[in-house]
Amino acid sequence: AQRVTQPEKLLSVFKGAPVELKCNYSYSGSPELFWYVQYSRQRLQLLLRHISRESIKGFTADLNKGETSFHLKKPFAQEEDSAMYYCALSGRGSTLGRLYFGRGTQLTVWP
Amino acid sequence: EAGVAQSPRYKIIEKRQSVAFWCNPISGHATLYWYQQILGQGPKLLIQFQNNGVVDDSQLPKDRFSAERLKGVDSTLKIQPAKLEDSAVYLCASSLTRTENTEAFFGQGTRLTVV
Repeated sequence: AQRVTQPEKLLSVFKGAPVELKCNYSYSGSPELFWYVQYSRQRLQLLLRHISRESIKGFTADLNKGETSFHLKKPFAQEEDSAMYYCALSGRGSTLGRLYFGRGTQLTVWP
Repeated sequence: EAGVAQSPRYKIIEKRQSVAFWCNPISGHATLYWYQQILGQGPKLLIQFQNNGVVDDSQLPKDRFSAERLKGVDSTLKIQPAKLEDSAVYLCASSLTRTENTEAFFGQGTRLTVV
């Protein structure tokens, strides 16, 4: 069964510090993984997807199939990075297009 | 570009009452989703439409929840009768196509409180 686990409900760092938001998944097959972000009073939006292999707002995420992880990283956190971050996995076959979300990690970046 | 529109933003009802939510997706998006987000959890898919047909409603509690997408554009989600455990944010999303790596665009959500 598809499952996404985000072990940290809350994460706090100081501005300029590195940040890593953890995401582990269970899936039989080749997964498509995403990070979605929700800033305060804004709607949920895509931050990045692993297939694009790009850096968005300084964030990167590498798919590690051996460890079944897709951790989100940024070398120098900024105050504007404070938000709720959700890791998600896309279904295939009959569940194509469905996103399976983790419970989210609330990131707070202190000045 | 106009985003996904949802209404109402907030709704408070008593248990056993009925409620309906409305969603207008981004123009041209064939796929529409309804997600339920209970406090402290990630969104969970209730139903997915491709144009005006249902392609995935396996997680929809069909004894009380129903949804339709008339003419393949707007959609409504109804709960009748509501239970206390239905208190959640209901998110509508749309995407251009139905693939494994397509981007979903979300609305602001409707926060439902059942008392």
